Order: sequence, then C-alpha cells, then structure tokens
Amino acid sequence: DAGITQSPRHKVTETGTPVTLRCHQTENHRYMYWYRQDPGHGLRLIHYSYGVKDTDKGEVSDGYSVSRSKTEDFLLTLESATSSQTSVYFCAIRSAVSYNEQFFGPGTRLTVL
Amino acid sequence: GDSVTQMEGPVTLSEEACLTINCTYTATGYPSLFWYVQYPGEGLQLLLKATKADDKGSNKGFEATYRKETTSFHLEKGSVQVSDSAVYFCALSDQLGNDMRFGAGTRLTVKP
Repeated sequence: DAGITQSPRHKVTETGTPVTLRCHQTENHRYMYWYRQDPGHGLRLIHYSYGVKDTDKGEVSDGYSVSRSKTEDFLLTLESATSSQTSVYFCAIRSAVSYNEQFFGPGTRLTVL
Repeated sequence: GDSVTQMEGPVTLSEEACLTINCTYTATGYPSLFWYVQYPGEGLQLLLKATKADDKGSNKGFEATYRKETTSFHLEKGSVQVSDSAVYFCALSDQLGNDMRFGAGTRLTVKP
C-alpha cells in the first residue's frame, strides 16, 4: 500500500461542466501521474508531475489540465467535460526505491452524460 | 514511439491449467518490462518486472523472461487458480521512468 487515495471514487456529470479529480499521497513521493483506462487501450498517460508546480504532458493531454501546489496532492481538471472523457482515471506514484516502478491508486470512475 | 502489444483475450481456463499471455514490444533504447495485474474494482498492482535482456521476473508462480531477440515478455504460470482471475497488463518503461506504455490488457477467467 503506497498510501494513495483518489476522490471522488465515482462521479457522474454532464457535458460542458468542469470536473476536478484529486489524488492524495502520504509518503512524500516526488513523481505523480494521471492515467486514463479505456477498453482496448490499456492505460494511457495524461499528465505527470515531478515536483511542486512542475508538470509535463503525457500521451493524451488534450482537454485536461493538472496542478500540484503541495507535494501530497495532484489535481486533474477537465475544464469542460465531454462524453469522450468518460473513463476510469488512475493516479500513480513513482517508487522511491526503484525509479521505473509505479504504484497505483484505486481509481475514479467518471461518466460524462 | 514505444509500444506494447499483448494478446487481448478474454482467456478462460480451468483450474490447474497452464497459462501463457503473449506480449511483444517495440522500443528504442533499453526499456524495462513489467506485468501488472488488476483485480475487479481495484487499481493495478505490480506482478513482476525485468530490467534487462535475459532477466526473468517471477512472483506468485508467474514468470516472464525479457527476450531481446524476439522483443517479447510472455507471462506464464504452470497451474492457475480461481484466485488468478483478473486483467493482466504488459507494460514498458523508458530509462527515465516517466513514459510508461501499457498493452490493452488480457482478461483471465479461471473456472473451478
């Protein structure tokens, strides 16, 4: 257990509304990641952070923004949700011991109607 | 860019049968390779990994060998149990560890 929580765990929203998902970690990990999981695609990286206020884009970043004002929290925002953003979103942290291992949170299921 | 292709399934086996889930990759450089497992309603858990050619990762009776000559990392288990029912993801990571690429996942169901 890497001490990762995600909130909310489930959310239903309407097209065009803003949505923010939160990832919280308790072990002071520097690197944090947001992925989306879709059938037939596995997991795809949206954005990641390598420190407070330091973020970079991943493979599928269009339509998403992120913020990290504290080490423990990494927020993912959909400024104007679309139905194509219906997905399961996972947060992950990088292991402090092995740089290329990641540990995942429990996920947030988002439905955009 | 780097990518992973794995057998999509679903795969249905009887208890104690042998399992192989194929995974091949395309990468520049020298990636690390992983198998993750996802149980229903949960996040992904690292099952095993290998960081260089000919390394064998193993855990809970599962094994996979990093084959550079065939660019493969097939997951094997000699005798599956009902509790192994899950979705299995093959993945690779570059040397910096930030660009992790996943396969589409293979759903395994083991029947008693």
